Amino acid sequence: KQEVTQIPAALSVPEGENLVLNCSFTDSAIYNLQWFRQDPGKGLTSLLLIQSSQREQTSGRLNASLDKSSGRSTLYIAASQPGDSATYLCAVLSYNTDKLIFGTGTRLQVFP
Amino acid sequence: GAVVSQHPSRVICKSGTSVKIECRSLDFQATTMFWYRQFPKQSLMLMATSNEGSKATYEQGVEKDKFLINHASLTLSTLTVTSAHPEDSSFYICSATRGTGTFSYNSPLHFGNGTRLTVT
Repeated sequence: KQEVTQIPAALSVPEGENLVLNCSFTDSAIYNLQWFRQDPGKGLTSLLLIQSSQREQTSGRLNASLDKSSGRSTLYIAASQPGDSATYLCAVLSYNTDKLIFGTGTRLQVFP
Repeated sequence: GAVVSQHPSRVICKSGTSVKIECRSLDFQATTMFWYRQFPKQSLMLMATSNEGSKATYEQGVEKDKFLINHASLTLSTLTVTSAHPEDSSFYICSATRGTGTFSYNSPLHFGNGTRLTVT
């Protein structure tokens, strides 16, 4: 059974810091891994999608890496801003079940 | 801009009544949409997969007679919570993918903004 874990559960940092959010999954048989952002009481916004054959994806200040063999992904946020405050979720599309399995998220707060 | 629209954003209803939630893909056709439920401080749990023109596929433990899903067109799926009870209070989120066929593994999912259901 695929399980997705995210650490830390919560993170509070001053503006300007570079951050690393971690995601691990137990079954490496995945089609892709996706990072989302969720603002309080809102739906999810897709940030980055990494195919199983890819090692990383970049969008602006965000960089996501994928090491499928070790079951890990990291989301790197450069020069964090208060507007980055949100919950970040990773999810894997599991090959064996064709289902998107979510982690429990990292709640990020960036203070001025 | 938003590519998936979900309505209503909030609804309060009395126990025993039914509530319908709509999910629309705004600028693309979605043969498959997904319905998730999220409890406070927990991750999203897939409830069912909605397929246009056919019956929805429900996850284990989800009552299909309680959570009625209708995918009547390529841009609209609805979730009806029938005979709602306080334990049905939750945050419901739909999603859709631009991909063709049943599910495009190369396309990211786009999510609605969710519906906060409170059953009193």
